[in-house]
Amino acid sequence: AQRVTQPEKLLSVFKGAPVELKCNYSYSGSPELFWYVQYSRQRLQLLLRHISRESIKGFTADLNKGETSFHLKKPFAQEEDSAMYYCALLNAGGTSYGKLTFGQGTILTVHP
Amino acid sequence: DARVTQTPRDKVTEMGQEVTMRCQPILGHNTVFWYRQTMMQGLELLAYFRNRAPLDDSGMPKDRFSAEMPDATLATLKIQPSEPRDSAVYFCASGSSGTGNTIYFGEGSWLTVV
Repeated sequence: AQRVTQPEKLLSVFKGAPVELKCNYSYSGSPELFWYVQYSRQRLQLLLRHISRESIKGFTADLNKGETSFHLKKPFAQEEDSAMYYCALLNAGGTSYGKLTFGQGTILTVHP
Repeated sequence: DARVTQTPRDKVTEMGQEVTMRCQPILGHNTVFWYRQTMMQGLELLAYFRNRAPLDDSGMPKDRFSAEMPDATLATLKIQPSEPRDSAVYFCASGSSGTGNTIYFGEGSWLTVV
């Protein structure tokens, strides 16, 4: 069964400091991974996906198949980055194709 | 800018009442998801549909919850009877292979059962 683990429920950093939000997964096939962000009382929005290998709002994430990780990083955190971040894994095969499994989420707080 | 539309945005109801939440997926999306978000459990997948057919509703309590897609433009999630432990935010999301498997979320329905 697929699983996504975000070990940190809460993460606090100061403005300008580097930030890393951890995500580990278990999946028997070739994973397709996403990061979603949710600002207070708003919808979840796609932040980035590993297939695109893009950088959004200064965030990057690299898929490490050896460590089964997809950590989200930003070198210099900003106050507006304060939000809930979810890592998600797509089931890309079988009868559950298209099912997106989310981690528990990490609440990031960036202090001034 | 196409968006997933959910109603109601906020709902306060008494225990035992029926609650119906509605979702209009983005036009052309053939996959629709219902998620429940709570502080304790995070995001839980309740059910999802492809081309209006239910694919997986194993995350949904069957005794009181039901999910349907009467047509391609409407998905519903019903709770009858509602209980205080159902208080949560219910998100609908839609996607398709044309979106590269990216799914798009609605604003959520914030349900409080008292």
